[in-house]
Amino acid sequence: DTEVTQTPKHLVMGMTNKKSLKCEQHMGHRAMYWYKQKAKKPPELMFVYSYEKLSINESVPSRFSPECPNSSLLNLHLHALQPEDSALYLCASSQYPSGRYYEQYFGPGTRLTVT
Amino acid sequence: KNEVEQSPQNLTAQEGEFITINCSYSVGISALHWLQQHPGGGIVSLFMLSSGKKKHGRLIATINIQEKHSSLHITASHPRDSAVYICAVPHITQGGSEKLVFGKGTKLTVNP
Repeated sequence: DTEVTQTPKHLVMGMTNKKSLKCEQHMGHRAMYWYKQKAKKPPELMFVYSYEKLSINESVPSRFSPECPNSSLLNLHLHALQPEDSALYLCASSQYPSGRYYEQYFGPGTRLTVT
Repeated sequence: KNEVEQSPQNLTAQEGEFITINCSYSVGISALHWLQQHPGGGIVSLFMLSSGKKKHGRLIATINIQEKHSSLHITASHPRDSAVYICAVPHITQGGSEKLVFGKGTKLTVNP
C-alpha cells in the first residue's frame, strides 16, 4: 500500500468556523508533511513531523494547528481562517525525514475555500 | 535569483515529440526530485536521483551534480503527459532539519 489518503476532498468554511483536515498513511513512514498550494504555484511547506514530533514549522500563523496523534495519522486543525487561506492543502509522507535519500508520497489534497 | 530554476515555464508539443525540461539549482544537497502534477490533482513522485541517469518507461531523468543541473526527458510524448512538472532539491534548514525547495514548475501541454 503506497497510498496517502486525505479527507475531505473539498471543504468550504466560514471565517468563524473550526474544521480539521485529516491525512493517513499505512506505509510505516516516519515523516509526514503539510503543504499549502495556491493556483499555478509550487507547494509551500507548512509543517514537518518527524517520528511524531514537530520538527519544522515554517512560521505558519497560529490559526493553523497541526497534530500527529500517531505514526499513521496527521491532522491540520483550522480556526478563524481568512479568505486568502483558500488553497489546495497537500499531505505527504516519506520513510524518513530526508529528501536526500527518500522520496515523498503525496495525497490527493483537500481543496479549501474560506468564505 | 531563485534557488531552483526551471525552464521553460510553459511548453507546448505535438504528440510524439521528444520533450526536455531543465532544472538548475544553487542550493541544496546532492540529490534532486522530479514530480508530476495533473490539473486539479495531487503530486506524484517520478524520480529521485543523486547521480547519472534513471529511466522509467518513456521518462528519463539525468543529473550533473558538479554543474547542479538536471533534465527530464519524455520520449514519444502523449496527451496524457500534459501536466506540471516540478523539480525539487533537499535543503538543510538553519535548525538542521531537511526540507524540499521547489522550482516553479513547467507546464507541459501535448496536443494530439
